[in-house]
Amino acid sequence: QVQLQESGPGLVKPSQTLSLTCAVSGGSITSGDYYWSWIRQPPGKGLEWIGYIYYSGSTYYNPSLKSRVTISVDTSKNQFSLKLSSVTAADTAVYYCARVDGFRYYFDYWGQGTLVTVSS
Amino acid sequence: DIQMTQSPSSVSASVGDRVTITCRASQSISSWLAWYQQKPGKAPKLLIYTASSLQSGVPSRFGGSGSGTDFTLTISSLLPEDFATYYCQQAHTFPFTFGPGTKVDI
Repeated sequence: QVQLQESGPGLVKPSQTLSLTCAVSGGSITSGDYYWSWIRQPPGKGLEWIGYIYYSGSTYYNPSLKSRVTISVDTSKNQFSLKLSSVTAADTAVYYCARVDGFRYYFDYWGQGTLVTVSS
Repeated sequence: DIQMTQSPSSVSASVGDRVTITCRASQSISSWLAWYQQKPGKAPKLLIYTASSLQSGVPSRFGGSGSGTDFTLTISSLLPEDFATYYCQQAHTFPFTFGPGTKVDI
C-alpha cells in the first residue's frame, strides 16, 4: 500500500518561499508508471493542481503558478518536494501530494495534506 | 484551460436515496474524467477514472457515465458514509482542472 506524507512549515511570511516535502513509502518513486504531483486547496474552496514531476526530473507546472513553482525529486530518499516563491495570503491552503497514474492521469494515492498559512 | 462545472452545487438527500451529480467540461475531453470523494479534514479519495471505471475497493453503488463534455456520477443508494463533497477532474489537457464540487448532505 503506497503512502504519502507531507512535511514542512505550517507558517510562512509573505514574500518568502514555501517549501514542502512528500515522503513516499510502500512503493518506489522510480516506478516508471507514475508521476508525482502537488495539489492545493484554499480553506473552504476547491482543488487546484500545481504540477507534477517524473522520477527522471522532468516536470510540468500549472501555467498559473509556473513562474513561482519548482518541484524536485530525490530518488535516494524516495521523496519529492515543492517550492513556491513570493507567497502571499492567497497561497494559504492545504497542500496535498499525490501519485498520478502515468497513462490515465488520475490521482490515486494522496497524502493527508498539510495546512500552510501565509501571514506575518 | 478547460473549465469544469458541476451541478448541483449542493444536494440534500436521505439514506437510501439515489443521487446523481453532473459534471460538464468547457470542451470535449473524451472519457478523460475522474471523480473524487472528500470528507471534511480529509484528502480526496479516487472513486471513478476514465469516466466509468470503478477504482479498486470502491463500492459498486458508485457509478460513472458520459463522454465528450457531459458526465454523471450516480450513487445508487446513499449510505451514511457517502455524505461528502464530490469533485470531478479532467485528465485530457494540461493543466488538469477540477470542478467546484458538489456537497451531498442530509
